[in-house]
Amino acid sequence: DTEVTQTPKHLVMGMTNKKSLKCEQHMGHRAMYWYKQKAKKPPELMFVYSYEKLSINESVPSRFSPECPNSSLLNLHLHALQPEDSALYLCASSQSPGQGASEQYFGPGTRLTVT
Amino acid sequence: GESVGLHLPTLSVQEGDNSIINCAYSNSASDYFIWYKQESGKGPQFIIDIRSNMDKRQGQRVTVLLNKTVKHLSLQIAATQPGDSAVYFCASSGGYQKVTFGTGTKLQVIP
Repeated sequence: DTEVTQTPKHLVMGMTNKKSLKCEQHMGHRAMYWYKQKAKKPPELMFVYSYEKLSINESVPSRFSPECPNSSLLNLHLHALQPEDSALYLCASSQSPGQGASEQYFGPGTRLTVT
Repeated sequence: GESVGLHLPTLSVQEGDNSIINCAYSNSASDYFIWYKQESGKGPQFIIDIRSNMDKRQGQRVTVLLNKTVKHLSLQIAATQPGDSAVYFCASSGGYQKVTFGTGTKLQVIP
């Protein structure tokens, strides 16, 4: 199984809502990532988890809160978002973190619209 | 900081011809380079990678060339097919798991 799954596929939320994005992989990967991708732009790294611990936070606003409950799951909790946060949110995973990067497997993304 | 950029935003290629997508990077400490393909409505898909101790690597119909002297990376696709139509991103890493993506090139295959 070389698949990363993400739910929901689409999400529309108001600026006062609280919602969560979910990501799952069963490849035994110990590094998981959240990226944000705006239209016609490259993915931008938000967070990296290594062995279920947050290792990189790219100065992401606190209205985005990541969580890694176990080695297969990654969540992104959303609260009080702004319309400019509307984007495609991509989850990825890769093998054991350590010195040197390795191939990342991406999920299909969640298309988020903030109204 | 690290930046990765592409020379051309859009590339149109006749079906059956070879495609070459170029990429420049700025961080000389980058030691790992990846090409991703992203089709509309999908997440990026790994195509091929190369480490800085190599200057060429071949896959199925794809070849990546790395020129560290001029900090340049290219992706060659042989016998381009309609299914190759997508946005192609180069990406680089200077270590750990942090990967920086370039701006992307849209490849259009003309039947």
